[in-house]
Amino acid sequence: GPKVLQIPSHQIIDMGQMVTLNCDPVSNHLYFYWYKQILGQQMEFLVNFYNGKVMEKSKLFKDQFSVERPDGSYFTLKIQPTALEDSAVYFCASSSGGTRAETLYFGSGTRLTVL
Amino acid sequence: GQGVEQPDNLMSVEGTFARVNCTYSTSGFNGLSWYQQREGHAPVFLSYVVLDGLKDSGHFSTFLSRSNGYSYLLLTELQIKDSASYLCAVRDDGMGYKLTFGTGTSLLVDP
Repeated sequence: GPKVLQIPSHQIIDMGQMVTLNCDPVSNHLYFYWYKQILGQQMEFLVNFYNGKVMEKSKLFKDQFSVERPDGSYFTLKIQPTALEDSAVYFCASSSGGTRAETLYFGSGTRLTVL
Repeated sequence: GQGVEQPDNLMSVEGTFARVNCTYSTSGFNGLSWYQQREGHAPVFLSYVVLDGLKDSGHFSTFLSRSNGYSYLLLTELQIKDSASYLCAVRDDGMGYKLTFGTGTSLLVDP
């Protein structure tokens, strides 16, 4: 089936540093998402993105967070500066929109550890 | 309050069945999806329902009652490999087809 790739799978950084999480969505998909999952807890929506713009963001999407997809390349989540509470697994997802909008395809996640 | 609720854990026996329940209260409703997630892996799409009633997809069936804010995922002829977390997710009135997930139900299938 369709694949969403996330790079890297693990990232360890010091508090206060910047980190960029990369996502290669399914080709020809138009909608992109980031979710955050702390171990043993639910998937929590961060942000969605369409046509070069943020459509909706949650309270978890702090001012230190930003997303972009320059020139149709990777869809990225940047955190600058990072904080201890940012440690979690971040999942990227994409969907085609239209009648199949309900199907989000997820990547395997990036496990971020902030020390 | 607003949200998607699921029981934390569920146990069943190989060869029998398991029903994973989900209740929701959201601002508007535009469909409910079920995902399977294994430890350390991506959630995998199983089913989507938007109309009331039972949708039979073989090994997985899903039921929806919009008036009660309730859905269940029914797994039949259970196999050990069905042991995983099952996530319920609701699409509300938000923009961009956002899904709100429940906490997930961890299903353990015993031999």
